[in-house]
Amino acid sequence: DGGITQSPKYLFRKEGQNVTLSCEQNLNHDAMYWYRQDPGQGLRLIYYSQIVNDFQKGDIAEGYSVSREKKESFPLTVTSAQKNPTAFYLCASSTISGRARNEQFFGPGTRLTVL
Amino acid sequence: DAKTTQPPSMDCAEGRAANLPCNHSTISGNEYVYWYRQIHSQGPQYIIHGLKNNETNEMASLIITEDRKSSTLILPHATLRDTAVYYCIVRVPNSGGYQKVTFGTGTKLQVIP
Repeated sequence: DGGITQSPKYLFRKEGQNVTLSCEQNLNHDAMYWYRQDPGQGLRLIYYSQIVNDFQKGDIAEGYSVSREKKESFPLTVTSAQKNPTAFYLCASSTISGRARNEQFFGPGTRLTVL
Repeated sequence: DAKTTQPPSMDCAEGRAANLPCNHSTISGNEYVYWYRQIHSQGPQYIIHGLKNNETNEMASLIITEDRKSSTLILPHATLRDTAVYYCIVRVPNSGGYQKVTFGTGTKLQVIP
């Protein structure tokens, strides 16, 4: 089945450690996105990528880094510079064609807890 | 992208229609209205979208006012599985390739048995 996978579902790390969250899609989508969600809040965009080897900062990119070496993969690294990394992280992908729909497909999310 | 305003929460009796409102008074002519929902601890899921005509699919109906400044998502027969946070978003589907989507806090719909 086509879709987006994120792993792991739950992740625990000690303060000061970098951690990488995985996001893979087999939908052949060009664009991929990372969002952060805090309790009771909406989604905030961290990074997005429209094409391999290119990505752009979103609204809250400080303390995060990404790579897009393959179309299918868009890993997010939460660095020690991120002051409040504990959150629910969501990855999404979409087409960017001229069709009207272009809705985003979301993965199941990774809940990161920094101890 | 235009901003939207939604009530923070709503209740609906199981089996009844759930009508979720959204105000988007600053919507521009080429922006569509999209609805997503997020069940607890899962990723958001696309429901429906529209430009100016009313739309219906297997999940819901979308009613957009003639001036396009507001819309209503209708779940015709709400079930307990429809309990979720519903997000109303307005955006241009393909604004230069990048689709910035701003998710607000949405409406938390509680379906009551």
